[in-house]
Amino acid sequence: ILNVEQSPQSLHVQEGDSTNFTCSFPSSNFYALHWYRWETAKSPEALFVMTLNGDEKKKGRISATLNTKEGYSYLYIKGSQPEDSATYLCALGGFQKLVFGTGTRLLVSP
Amino acid sequence: NAGVTQTPKFQVLKTGQSMTLQCAQDMNHNSMYWYRQDPGMGLRLIYYSASEGTTDKGEVPNGYNVSRLNKREFSLRLESAAPSQTSVYFCASSERSSLGANVLTFGAGSRLTVL
Repeated sequence: ILNVEQSPQSLHVQEGDSTNFTCSFPSSNFYALHWYRWETAKSPEALFVMTLNGDEKKKGRISATLNTKEGYSYLYIKGSQPEDSATYLCALGGFQKLVFGTGTRLLVSP
Repeated sequence: NAGVTQTPKFQVLKTGQSMTLQCAQDMNHNSMYWYRQDPGMGLRLIYYSASEGTTDKGEVPNGYNVSRLNKREFSLRLESAAPSQTSVYFCASSERSSLGANVLTFGAGSRLTVL
């Protein structure tokens, strides 16, 4: 069973702070790394999919990087806003399936 | 588009009862999945169906059965519910993306309580 680890488990920041989370995964047999955003009482929604070492993706104030050789990905949020409050999941895939980490729960206070 | 639709949204069962969670997608996706979400455990894969006519076990299949009824529908059945199956269940579907990696679209979730 693949082990996908995320840190920290939770994070509480003030509006305007920039923050980042880590996703660690086995570097062997890498295929793809996904990031999902999961707001309370909603369904997870895909943010990024990355497949190549050195990939960088950006969507608004959120960006992600990938290092497949050392087995980690970073998610960055610049200038956090209260609406960024959510759980951020990474997942290792996966032609057929994804294995999820336990997520980082972000709370952004006004 | 409705996307992925799950029913029911909430269900309370007694130990030993059976029930089926229904899932349907209208995106013409090939693959469908059932996950369960428990506090501190993240999303764990129960079963998946890579394509119509095939099903495979995931990480935690014990106590569950699935049926891929057609391309649109993928149901999850609990034959004899146990309190350990109290969880939130998510159905998801995917089609191979241009990057060759499956991006999942999730349903709204079904909260199941087994007393």
